[in-house]
Amino acid sequence: GAGVSQSPSNKVTEKGKDVELRCDPISGHTALYWYRQSLGQGLEFLIYFQGNSAPDKSGLPSDRFSAERTGGSVSTLTIQRTQQEDSAVYLCASSLHGGAKFAGELFFGEGSRLTVL
Amino acid sequence: AQSVTQLGSHVSVSEGALVLLRCNYSSSVPPYLFWYVQYPNQGLQLLLKYTTGATLVKGINGFEAEFKKSETSFHLTKPSAHMSDAAEYFCAVTPRSNDYKLSFGAGTTVTVRA
Repeated sequence: GAGVSQSPSNKVTEKGKDVELRCDPISGHTALYWYRQSLGQGLEFLIYFQGNSAPDKSGLPSDRFSAERTGGSVSTLTIQRTQQEDSAVYLCASSLHGGAKFAGELFFGEGSRLTVL
Repeated sequence: AQSVTQLGSHVSVSEGALVLLRCNYSSSVPPYLFWYVQYPNQGLQLLLKYTTGATLVKGINGFEAEFKKSETSFHLTKPSAHMSDAAEYFCAVTPRSNDYKLSFGAGTTVTVRA
């Protein structure tokens, strides 16, 4: 597709359940990011993938959160044993370059809104 | 660590009036600076950015921002608001040292009154 695609757009789950959120970045973009947007707060960095390098997981809030990127393209963010404080919009973004060639232009998807009851 | 402060979570302006959104950063070395906009039901998109060169940068839809090192600021302006400018605006920074992580402010929601 032309843009970053995320699914599902909305997810309602019960506390304690696991959820998977999917991101399909723009074709050819080597860098992929996950951010979390909570009500009234800015975007919180979660994780960054660049090519075949080891991901930067420094923003993941707990070990219940994990992410992978298969084949340098699609990424899945998994939240295990969800808690109510995990409720937020999870945003995926990609960029043409990362690291030294980074120019700051991230292309964002529309996000996956997660509600944990 | 980079820190970004946006003054005012909500701004309401009349159509045709000046739009001014404030952003201040905290770092001893000026970072790269960005403004992103999020229209209703859409993903964030880059409005403009400052990396080097001219301190007054122009973006899409008539917006511009000026980097002022002495004030550690990067305020966003538009001379005349249009109804289509209603959106949430985010200021973001990243260090110059090849850091790829954008740090975002809390955002400012702009409403435009007819």
